[in-house]
Amino acid sequence: EVQLLESGGGLVQPGGSLRLSCAASGFTFSSYAMSWVRQAPGKGLEWVSAISGSGGSTYYADSVKGRFTISRDNSKNTLYLQMNSLRAEDTAVYYCAKVVVTRGGRYFDLWGRGTLVTVSS
Amino acid sequence: QSALTQPASVSGSPGQSITISCTGTSSDVGGYNYVSWYQQHPGKAPKLMIYEVSNRPSGVSNRFSGSKSGNTASLTISGLQAEDEADYYCSSYTSSSTLWVFGGGTKLTVL
Repeated sequence: EVQLLESGGGLVQPGGSLRLSCAASGFTFSSYAMSWVRQAPGKGLEWVSAISGSGGSTYYADSVKGRFTISRDNSKNTLYLQMNSLRAEDTAVYYCAKVVVTRGGRYFDLWGRGTLVTVSS
Repeated sequence: QSALTQPASVSGSPGQSITISCTGTSSDVGGYNYVSWYQQHPGKAPKLMIYEVSNRPSGVSNRFSGSKSGNTASLTISGLQAEDEADYYCSSYTSSSTLWVFGGGTKLTVL
């Protein structure tokens, strides 16, 4: 079955760190760029970060640049998001998403169920 | 404030058609045919409904269609059904350092 399964969310204090994981199955993981997208409670979607299939290129939203690090282990079919210096405004459900990049498109065709990160004292 | 502008809510009766607009700029919606639409039911993950402005993934009903004119993209749902009630988000790839932007979301109510 083609699926993405996130884990690693939880409650963390402001200034703390957390590492999210996303286990992929059912497709050739290394052939696809991957991304993290978050959704604050009751709010819309916000793109956070993306990484190329090889892991050689990474991209970040300005809101997380310098604090978050995206990485992947293609031998384990797993995507990661290391989150440091967490702030209250980082509180959200974090979704892992498979990215399709073609000559005519850039979009997310598969999403995980998400993992909730709560930053609070 | 979201980068792309969508109406907060739309509604329609079963069988009717509705259209959700998504307005951006020449740096995103207007500059590329990279507009996609996602459906999200409460407590669920987003689901891809339209990609590359007007293409439907396999398994998505042909009642869903997309289009674009200038800096505004649109999602039309025809023959509304109760199961269509959900939040809908547009998205576009951009030329800025923020690779993707989303709309604020539109809540569709089927009356």
